[in-house]
Amino acid sequence: TQLLEQSPQFLSIQEGENLTVYCNSSSVFSSLQWYRQEPGEGPVLLVTVVTGGEVKKLKRLTFQFGDARKDSSLHITAAQPGDTGLYLCRNQGGSEKLVFGKGTKLTVNP
Amino acid sequence: DAGVTQSPTHLIKTRGQQVTLRCSPKSGHDTVSWYQQALGQGPQFIFQYYEEEERQRGNFPDRFSGHQFPNYSSELNVNALLLGDSALYLCASSLVETYEQYFGPGTRLTVT
Repeated sequence: TQLLEQSPQFLSIQEGENLTVYCNSSSVFSSLQWYRQEPGEGPVLLVTVVTGGEVKKLKRLTFQFGDARKDSSLHITAAQPGDTGLYLCRNQGGSEKLVFGKGTKLTVNP
Repeated sequence: DAGVTQSPTHLIKTRGQQVTLRCSPKSGHDTVSWYQQALGQGPQFIFQYYEEEERQRGNFPDRFSGHQFPNYSSELNVNALLLGDSALYLCASSLVETYEQYFGPGTRLTVT
């Protein structure tokens, strides 16, 4: 079973700061998804990355997929309190069993 | 357009009892997946249903079983509850040919 490690586990920053969180896999991803989960809610899909080296931008969020497709990063520019949540990465599935990382719990203080 | 709905919202059960959780998928979706999320952890995949059959299963014991109905809704059953089964149970729906899953708000199960 593919293992996904996310770091850091916890991150607390001030509004306006930049941050990067990471997702590393024990094996190659066919593709990878990032989700954000707010307290009391289910995860919400942010992006799917498929191609090694791919970079996708979603407003202030930048997602990068490693060239070897074993790692990914999520960079947030000028974080806002509304970015607070649990950020999860997951393999996309297919022939692989669906696996989530443990997540990075982000708190953005006003 | 209603998203994924789950019932009940919260549930308290005693060790050894049985529980049934319910999920209605997003309109147009035909595949339902179930996840267990312990406090402070990422969701763990339990199983996935498509065309009323279990299509894929994670590393969960046989105490965890499920069902999908012709209208694509689904149930998760857990027998012989253990204290360690206390968690948030999430349901996600999708189309079988895609992996873009939409999650419900979850059912919080507490086993005492």
